[in-house]
Amino acid sequence: QKEVEQDPGPLSVPEGAIVSLNCTYSNSAFQYFMWYRQYSRKGPELLMYTYSSGNKEDGRFTAQVDKSSKYISLFIRDSQPSDSATYLCAMNSGGYQKVTFGIGTKLQVIP
Amino acid sequence: GAVVSQHPSRVICKSGTSVKIECRSLDFQATTMFWYRQFPKQSLMLMATSNEGSKATYEQGVEKDKFLINHASLTLSTLTVTSAHPEDSSFYICSARAPTGGDEQYFGPGTRLTVT
Repeated sequence: QKEVEQDPGPLSVPEGAIVSLNCTYSNSAFQYFMWYRQYSRKGPELLMYTYSSGNKEDGRFTAQVDKSSKYISLFIRDSQPSDSATYLCAMNSGGYQKVTFGIGTKLQVIP
Repeated sequence: GAVVSQHPSRVICKSGTSVKIECRSLDFQATTMFWYRQFPKQSLMLMATSNEGSKATYEQGVEKDKFLINHASLTLSTLTVTSAHPEDSSFYICSARAPTGGDEQYFGPGTRLTVT
């Protein structure tokens, strides 16, 4: 079993839709969670990071962490064609430990 | 802030030659940088952790004599792929730990290496 599971997609949604991207993890020591956006042939770009359970909002993006269920989500409101990319979840146990990445979900927002 | 650059963005080399990839933190000092490799439809694979002024820490299965890492300054780490072979063709991405002291990493734009 992988430490981090993420559906690779692709996920296609119409412009303006609310997008939900998810990851599950098995290591209960993970306490630091990140979401990255990666455009084709580019390096990942940090979108959100959080230490705690609950929600964190930044513009159209909301990161949600449920440590009891070992489940994290990234919501994108009012999705735009420019949001089309691969979204990677990442996490570690803090304290500068190795970061484990999900495989990434490919999102396509259709105009 | 927290901008990381990489050079070159693409490189094609012949089998048996060596290739050097540079990773720079442009607006902050990075005592720790990371080198990843990414294959199509696969997750980022950590190759090594590069610490300024000391030897890199390599992940299991990564040949340290083949992938030479040097972190000579607080803003520059280099990865040299020695005696490259076609199977070394991949997307290499570096990252630096956040200057704020958190665990998040900021990535460079990546280098596409093709070995012919």
